Amino acid sequence: TQLLEQSPQFLSIQEGENLTVYCNSSSVFSSLQWYRQEPGEGPVLLVTVVTGGEVKKLKRLTFQFGDARKDSSLHITAAQPGDTGLYLCAVPYSGAGSYQLTFGKGTKLSVIP
Amino acid sequence: KAGVTQTPRYLIKTRGQQVTLSCSPISGHRSVSWYQQTPGQGLQFLFEYFSETQRNKGNFPGRFSGRQFSNSRSEMNVSTLELGDSALYLCASSTLTSAFSYNEQFFGPGTRLTVL
Repeated sequence: TQLLEQSPQFLSIQEGENLTVYCNSSSVFSSLQWYRQEPGEGPVLLVTVVTGGEVKKLKRLTFQFGDARKDSSLHITAAQPGDTGLYLCAVPYSGAGSYQLTFGKGTKLSVIP
Repeated sequence: KAGVTQTPRYLIKTRGQQVTLSCSPISGHRSVSWYQQTPGQGLQFLFEYFSETQRNKGNFPGRFSGRQFSNSRSEMNVSTLELGDSALYLCASSTLTSAFSYNEQFFGPGTRLTVL
């Protein structure tokens, strides 16, 4: 069973459209992160949300952490081709002696000019 | 400050061979983690090293191993390669992690391993 479920798995939209991707779980988390990964590169951290109901904005990207801290969403306004990439949510998960990141499988976004 | 570097960037091996991948963390970072990324399973945690000690290990067979050197550079080794080991192997470094606190991990570009 996947700890983090991301939807949709694939999304192809026209430039200028709005979109929302989701990250859901049945577990409660102390924090949740969103990453973007471009082809041939490693994931790059976009934001960390820590408080239930928290909303953070990064230019045209809006991130929300659910009130119960079990889910999160990423909304992109007026998508641009530069937004193309794999969007991953992740949670720091306490293993034996250190934290590790547990990732969802991601949403692959294509923005068509 | 230079980012995380991984070498080689691309590698082609055949079944049964072994492979060693290298990771140089950001200067000053002492924690190095390794992840495997495949289309089917996504990003999965392999192991984490801090001060030359493996502190945490994911659910992978013993064919996957690693080590960390005194300068924090890390290597991972996969023996007796299988077709299913074809993946992007990512290394990430951070300043310090413990069971009680989490610090941001910075990822390298990865090594693309193809097993034929």
